[in-house]
Amino acid sequence: KAGVTQTPRYLIKTRGQQVTLSCSPISGHRSVSWYQQTPGQGLQFLFEYFSETQRNKGNFPGRFSGRQFSNSRSEMNVSTLELGDSALYLCASSLTLVEQFFGPGTRLTVL
Amino acid sequence: AQKVTQAQTEISVVEKEDVTLDCVYETRDTTYYLFWYKQPPSGELVFLIRRNSFDEQNEISGRYSWNFQKSTSSFNFTITASQVVDSAVYFCALSRDAGGTSYGKLTFGQGTILTVHP
Repeated sequence: KAGVTQTPRYLIKTRGQQVTLSCSPISGHRSVSWYQQTPGQGLQFLFEYFSETQRNKGNFPGRFSGRQFSNSRSEMNVSTLELGDSALYLCASSLTLVEQFFGPGTRLTVL
Repeated sequence: AQKVTQAQTEISVVEKEDVTLDCVYETRDTTYYLFWYKQPPSGELVFLIRRNSFDEQNEISGRYSWNFQKSTSSFNFTITASQVVDSAVYFCALSRDAGGTSYGKLTFGQGTILTVHP
């Protein structure tokens, strides 16, 4: 069974731009969560989607948003990029709503 | 609020040594889940184990073992006879029991960088 896939793997943007990251969960998994990983703050929860509904959200500004499609694929969007948004963005999917299985991440660099 | 503390920022050992990674957690919940993940240089977090708060039985999987002690709020991870391939960042994580505002949220520790030298 294929794992969680994330595209693109690497991205370079400039301040003020917006970016969209994509995540395809493991087949059959309907829950998708997003995390931001930075050297300073570590791994922080962004939000979680299930059946196209956002059920939980972390403490991030409104510039961070997401959505989930009927096939459980998810996208997250960051608008008006700031230097501090440079990070590894990890997506995870879950079948049991307990264990989460992570993708390889998208490394975003904001210049 | 939930909190996970991994006091060891970095550990360096020589191959075949045993190594224990410490994890201490804080939660007001009576039921919760604890996890360990491994992050190799590729960046992907690899799931290693899940433990329910009501199950304090220790677990062994090959060279890996986990010691869960509710009385001390600790969930330590031991690698026996370490190998170079064990070099990675290891994260301990905590989640509330499913439901309500707990959906999909893992609270991670800061991670322990393990380097195993040949």
